[in-house]
Amino acid sequence: EVQLLESGGGLVQPGGSLRLSCAASGFTFSNYAMVWVRQAPGMGLEWVSGIRGSGASTFYADSVKGRFTISRDNSKNTLYLQMNSLRAEDTALYYCAKDRGISSQYDYWGQGTLVTVSS
Amino acid sequence: QSVLTQPPSVSAAPGKKVTISCSGSSSNIGNNDVSWYQQLPGTAPKLLIYDNNERPSGIPDRFSGSKSGTSVTLGITGLQTGDEADYYCGTWDSSLSAVVFGGGTKLTVL
Repeated sequence: EVQLLESGGGLVQPGGSLRLSCAASGFTFSNYAMVWVRQAPGMGLEWVSGIRGSGASTFYADSVKGRFTISRDNSKNTLYLQMNSLRAEDTALYYCAKDRGISSQYDYWGQGTLVTVSS
Repeated sequence: QSVLTQPPSVSAAPGKKVTISCSGSSSNIGNNDVSWYQQLPGTAPKLLIYDNNERPSGIPDRFSGSKSGTSVTLGITGLQTGDEADYYCGTWDSSLSAVVFGGGTKLTVL
């Protein structure tokens, strides 16, 4: 059974940093691209960042480019999102999701971890 | 404002059929496969349709997808109260080098 478990969310001040983790199980982690998708309170889905299975290629939304870094440790079956220079508009529930391959279509999602940026 | 355009809401009676549209451009829907997601209240999104019209195992055939040019449509037949949810389309955008989602459509089963 595929499982994705996010952690690392919390309350942080504007300008601060946070590192999210997503522990994966139930599939060969290194064979699949992974992504972070966020959802601000009461709003729709926003794709944040993606990474290929090997970790060699990464992609970012313009809204986070230069501030967020996606990475993965295939030996630990874990996906990460390092978030720096956080802003109030980064407040959201952050989901990690598994790609069906490299198709930008996501067949499994975690339950999310909440990030709140506020002073 | 989302790159992909969906109606904010749709509604229909139990047992009836509803369609949800999603329109884009040649840089996204026109040249890439589209997926649909169902998000029930308070839960994570769930893949409903992939590759424009394919259903993952476990998704009933009441749900269907179609594509024409730069638009896609999700169809739901035999509506049930349990289908009340937000529905999102999504695809890769070759110009943005990013995944884009529609703004979401709230389905109400009256």
